[in-house]
Amino acid sequence: DAGVIQSTRHEVTEMGQEVTLRCKPISGHDYLFWYRQTMMRGLELLIYFNNNVPIDDSGMPEDRFSAKMPNASFSTLKIQPSEPRDSAVYFCASSPRTGGIGYGYTFGSGTRLTVV
Amino acid sequence: AQRVTQPEKLLSVFKGAPVELKCNYSYSGSPELFWYVQYSRQRLQLLLRHISRESIKGFTADLNKGETSFHLKKPFAQEEDSAMYYCALRPFSGSARQLTFGSGTQLTVLP
Repeated sequence: DAGVIQSTRHEVTEMGQEVTLRCKPISGHDYLFWYRQTMMRGLELLIYFNNNVPIDDSGMPEDRFSAKMPNASFSTLKIQPSEPRDSAVYFCASSPRTGGIGYGYTFGSGTRLTVV
Repeated sequence: AQRVTQPEKLLSVFKGAPVELKCNYSYSGSPELFWYVQYSRQRLQLLLRHISRESIKGFTADLNKGETSFHLKKPFAQEEDSAMYYCALRPFSGSARQLTFGSGTQLTVLP
């Protein structure tokens, strides 16, 4: 298995522009998570999905952030419009449904977003 | 609600010295505890989990329910252990399956 795939390692965009981050979870994993990592706040859970359905988006900072999971193999996190304070590393992770006890998440390599 | 506290943002030790990374948690139910490691600019990787009671790369961690702690220990630190370490908690049961992470501890092992 190729693991959780975040094909874009670095994304640079200008303030005010829309930016979309993409993630492909491990096949068969029912849970998908989006995290944001910054020096100040560490790892923050933004949103997670179960069977493509958003379960908890309370971590999404503002209405500028939105996430979708149109099918079991793809998810997007969109920021529109982007701001410099959105600069961070965004990680996607997935986890299976059953056998979850003792089973952690598998993380993608992350996308480092820089908003200038 | 669950909470994970890692009181040290930075920790430096010399090679060969013992190292302990502290993790305390608060949760009213039964938790699953994990340690994740992130080497420089790499993805987070699961290091170990309390349910397995395993030793990985010489690291161990024991869940102490009385003290609500899950400290990570290694008797002799190596330079390649330098990394960011995150403690994480997940409810043992119920519908909330997400991990709650601590703020992380950056470990530097000096030569």
